[in-house]
Amino acid sequence: DIQMTQSPSSLSASVGDRVTITCRASQGISNSLAWYQQKPGKAPKLLLYAASRLESGVPSRFSGSGSGTDYTLTISSLQPEDFATYYCQQYYSTPPITFGPGTKVDIK
Amino acid sequence: EVQLVESGGGLVQPGGSLRLSCAASGFTFSSYEMNWVRQAPGKGLEWVSYISSSGSTIYYADSVKGRFTISRDNAKNSLYLQMNSLRAEDTAVYYCARNSLGAYYFDYWGQGTLVTVSS
Repeated sequence: DIQMTQSPSSLSASVGDRVTITCRASQGISNSLAWYQQKPGKAPKLLLYAASRLESGVPSRFSGSGSGTDYTLTISSLQPEDFATYYCQQYYSTPPITFGPGTKVDIK
Repeated sequence: EVQLVESGGGLVQPGGSLRLSCAASGFTFSSYEMNWVRQAPGKGLEWVSYISSSGSTIYYADSVKGRFTISRDNAKNSLYLQMNSLRAEDTAVYYCARNSLGAYYFDYWGQGTLVTVSS
C-alpha cells in the first residue's frame, strides 16, 4: 500500500499570506494526486487532480505542483474562506485509495 | 446539479448491523464508479469501499473486509453499504463519493451520515 504524509499538520496564517502544504508518497505516484478542502461539518471538496489541474470552479489562487513522490499545494493569497483542512489523496495504485492525514490551516 | 444524499446512519450496539443508502441524482448514475469514505470524529479521511459502474468489480479496505458489503441498484440510482459486526472503531461519518470518470479521485461527495457504535 502507498502511504501518504503531509506537512505541516497545522499552520497559522493571515489573510493575504502565501501558504504551501507538502504531501509525500511512500513511492512514486506519477502525478496521480488529488487535493481536497474540508470545512468543519462539511464534506470534502475537490480542488485539484493530476497534481496540478484545477477543478472547475476552484479559484486560481490554488495551484499544485510536484512529481515522483513529492507534491505541494499552494494558496497564493489566503482568503477568509480558505481556512479549512486540506487533504491529499493518491490514486496511482488502487486499491486501497489512500489519503494524507490532513493539514489544518487556521487564522493567525 | 449532481446530488448525493446519504441516509441510514444512527446509533447501533457493538456487533450490530446497519445499512446505509446513497441516493444519486443529476447525473447518469449507471455510468459512474462509486465509493464509501468515512471519517471518525476529529480524524482524517479513510476510504472504505469501491464499486464499479456495473457492480462487477468491488474493493474493500482491509479494516472492513468480510464485515461490510457494498452494492448498487442502477435502476434506482442508489448506492448501499451493508455493515455487519460493527465495532466501536467503525464510528464515523460515512460519505458516498463519486469517482471522476476514468480516475480514482472523487469529484462529488454527499453530506455524510453519522454512524455511532456504542453500548
